[in-house]
Amino acid sequence: GNSVTQMEGPVTLSEEAFLTINCTYTATGYPSLFWYVQYPGEGLQLLLKATKADDKGSNKGFEATYRKETTSFHLEKGSVQVSDSAVYFCALTGGSYIPTFGRGTSLIVHP
Amino acid sequence: EADIYQTPRYLVIGTGKKITLECSQTMGHDKMYWYQQDPGMELHLIHYSYGVNSTEKGDLSSESTVSRIRTEHFPLTLESARPSHTSQYLCASTRTGTYEQYFGPGTRLTVT
Repeated sequence: GNSVTQMEGPVTLSEEAFLTINCTYTATGYPSLFWYVQYPGEGLQLLLKATKADDKGSNKGFEATYRKETTSFHLEKGSVQVSDSAVYFCALTGGSYIPTFGRGTSLIVHP
Repeated sequence: EADIYQTPRYLVIGTGKKITLECSQTMGHDKMYWYQQDPGMELHLIHYSYGVNSTEKGDLSSESTVSRIRTEHFPLTLESARPSHTSQYLCASTRTGTYEQYFGPGTRLTVT
């Protein structure tokens, strides 16, 4: 079956630091890959996506590249802000439309 | 902006009560989902629907039931609430041909 593994948190950074949250996956076929973000007291919202190998998804300064050779989709941002503090979920979805989520990584950014 | 709504946002209820958590979306999405999110943040799929009159159980065994009589509406019912049902419940939807999910704001349920 499909699985997603992402780094455990919390990840604690100072404002303007570089962020990497690692995500690797196992899947049959060619799934689409996603990063979702969840702010306190809210549901998840789509941050970025990539639908095929070598695609780069980007949004709000965050980026992730679909690496089929390493089965990875690591999330990066060059300079984090306090407002980026949230929980980040890596996910994949294939033809069944049943997503597989990672366990979530909490990011805490200090001023 | 996602147009998917959940009510109530917060609910505190006694053991043994019957409750229905509401979820509606105005995007015309055919597929809808219910997740239970534990305090450790992990999401567990408890029910999903591929369309009207279609419902399936997810990976996590749940004592709840769902119905899908209208495309836009996907309520979840607990016949007899128990403290073990205390959790955050998230509803989501997606459209055939895309794979990203749109989530509601969640219902935080506490059973005393």
